[in-house]
Amino acid sequence: GQNIDQPTEMTATEGAIVQINCTYQTSGFNGLFWYQQHAGEAPTFLSYNVLDGLEEKGRFSSFLSRSKGYSYLLLKELQMKDSASYLCAAMDSNYQLIWGAGTKLIIKP
Amino acid sequence: IAGITQAPTSQILAAGRRMTLRCTQDMRHNAMYWYRQDLGLGLRLIHYSNTAGTTGKGEVPDGYSVSRANTDDFPLTLASAVPSQTSVYFCASSPQEGMDIQYFGAGTRLSVL
Repeated sequence: GQNIDQPTEMTATEGAIVQINCTYQTSGFNGLFWYQQHAGEAPTFLSYNVLDGLEEKGRFSSFLSRSKGYSYLLLKELQMKDSASYLCAAMDSNYQLIWGAGTKLIIKP
Repeated sequence: IAGITQAPTSQILAAGRRMTLRCTQDMRHNAMYWYRQDLGLGLRLIHYSNTAGTTGKGEVPDGYSVSRANTDDFPLTLASAVPSQTSVYFCASSPQEGMDIQYFGAGTRLSVL
């Protein structure tokens, strides 16, 4: 079956760095997406990886290893506004997104 | 402002009633999607449409129907609501099907009693 695993909750300190891991098993693979979702709001796109390696975009970076079925989202210089859920989603061979349950990130001052 | 509009924002519905959730986008995106989001679970695809006039079933289509008469509108209908359909429903769109960013509406919070 198809499955996405990511931690349920993480806590980090303002100004620090946090890494959110995601492992996936899908029927075929057409890329890995990360979305941010603030409580009570819609998910918004953060990053997309289809090739192995690191993609950097400001304070956020995303990494992919296709051979390991593994990705992570790295958030640097954490700000209070980064408190949100981070959703990992893999695109399968039918170009449908398989979503993880999300990682709730709590930022403490 | 360009984007996706969902209505209503929230609704309490008696079991057995019919309900249509509305979704309109003004970005001229070809593909549209309906998801439900439940606590502890990932977003689950209900139905999708790759272009106007076509629809397809997602992971959890039972009890739901959709139509795509034009590019902008993609309504989701619950023919006879049941309590297990209590959820937050998100509509999304992308320029094309496939490896494209999906843009989400603000969601409809539905409670079926």
